[in-house]
Amino acid sequence: GESVGLHLPTLSVQEGDNSIINCAYSNSASDYFIWYKQESGKGPQFIIDIRSNMDKRQGQRVTVLLNKTVKHLSLQIAATQPGDSAVYFCAENFSGYALNFGKGTSLLVTP
Amino acid sequence: KAGVTQTPRYLIKTRGQQVTLSCSPISGHRSVSWYQQTPGQGLQFLFEYFSETQRNKGNFPGRFSGRQFSNSRSEMNVSTLELGDSALYLCASSLAYEQFFGPGTRLTVL
Repeated sequence: GESVGLHLPTLSVQEGDNSIINCAYSNSASDYFIWYKQESGKGPQFIIDIRSNMDKRQGQRVTVLLNKTVKHLSLQIAATQPGDSAVYFCAENFSGYALNFGKGTSLLVTP
Repeated sequence: KAGVTQTPRYLIKTRGQQVTLSCSPISGHRSVSWYQQTPGQGLQFLFEYFSETQRNKGNFPGRFSGRQFSNSRSEMNVSTLELGDSALYLCASSLAYEQFFGPGTRLTVL
């Protein structure tokens, strides 16, 4: 039969606003976390990463926050632009360089 | 530097057939990982190869296998295809923790 698709949470923001995408991870022993952006028809693209010995890291227009106490990651995008519309995934390293991915959040930027 | 390349980009097979997908990593990268992406399950880890050795394996049946060659290029094979194997298969290469993804191979099983 037909497979049921993942119901991705969707975040809709207006152009120019800030976006916050949240993610819960599962392994308290993970020491590396990464955010990816995936546009339709493309592979995931690296946005920013953070190690477990940090709680905040900033890039160009993006900031990642890590709260190890509650196993929570967030990605903040400043001054969101239409080109930011995509699905965003958090991932945690669990062994070697292998990653466990979250389910993803769809970001829709409206003019 | 050239990115990760995957061939073929699209593939249509029928149930029971087998398929081989290929991945060429970024030059100098020794780790290659494979992921399956479906609407139902999202992105799931298949396996990771490092210097021709399988270093990690995800929770997939034995029909899914892979290998890595001395030039770091990797192939994955799926035997006895099932309808549920229809997915986007993504390859990622890395020098360290940061993984760089290819565009994927879209496999459709009829």
